[in-house]
Amino acid sequence: DGGITQSPKYLFRKEGQNVTLSCEQNLNHDAMYWYRQDPGQGLRLIYYSQIVNDFQKGDIAEGYSVSREKKESFPLTVTSAQKNPTAFYLCATAFGGTSSYEQYFGPGTRLTVT
Amino acid sequence: AQKVTQAQTEISVVEKEDVTLDCVYETRDTTYYLFWYKQPPSGELVFLIRRNSFDEQNEISGRYSWNFQKSTSSFNFTITASQVVDSAVYFCAASTWTNAGKSTFGDGTTLTVKP
Repeated sequence: DGGITQSPKYLFRKEGQNVTLSCEQNLNHDAMYWYRQDPGQGLRLIYYSQIVNDFQKGDIAEGYSVSREKKESFPLTVTSAQKNPTAFYLCATAFGGTSSYEQYFGPGTRLTVT
Repeated sequence: AQKVTQAQTEISVVEKEDVTLDCVYETRDTTYYLFWYKQPPSGELVFLIRRNSFDEQNEISGRYSWNFQKSTSSFNFTITASQVVDSAVYFCAASTWTNAGKSTFGDGTTLTVKP
């Protein structure tokens, strides 16, 4: 099946630990994105990548890091520097690296840090 | 930079009623793209429609219709004869040619359709 995979669906971590969220796609899309969504709020862009081996900071990149070594994969690491990491994290892809294409979203990962 | 405003935070209707979700956008670019997404309770956003700034034709897809008006910078979404399955959070988004692949999302409108 073509699509976007995010695993796990639920993730629990202790404060002070880094955690990596995976995002894999087999849609052959160039662009990939990470968003954060807090309860009752909209989406905030963390990082995005328009092409392999290149990525850009979004609006709330502090405390997060990413890599784009393969077209299919765009993992997000939530570091201990992120002050309030508990949230719903959504990965998305788009066909091209420009703004004209719609985004397709994965099922999301709910991260809880205590 | 662009901005998207969805003034309606929550809307509640009874099944079979028509409902319109408002979206107002701001951008200085002459070429831009507008989108609507649906987020059901499961959490995964689903793409509904894309419009280009140079195409003001309205669109109808089944019970869904979209009204794009440049004069008022609006891209409203109407659901006709709403159903319980339409209950979700709906997001309007905008992107511009100069914004290098990024979209700006509104805060979303939570639609509840009661049986």
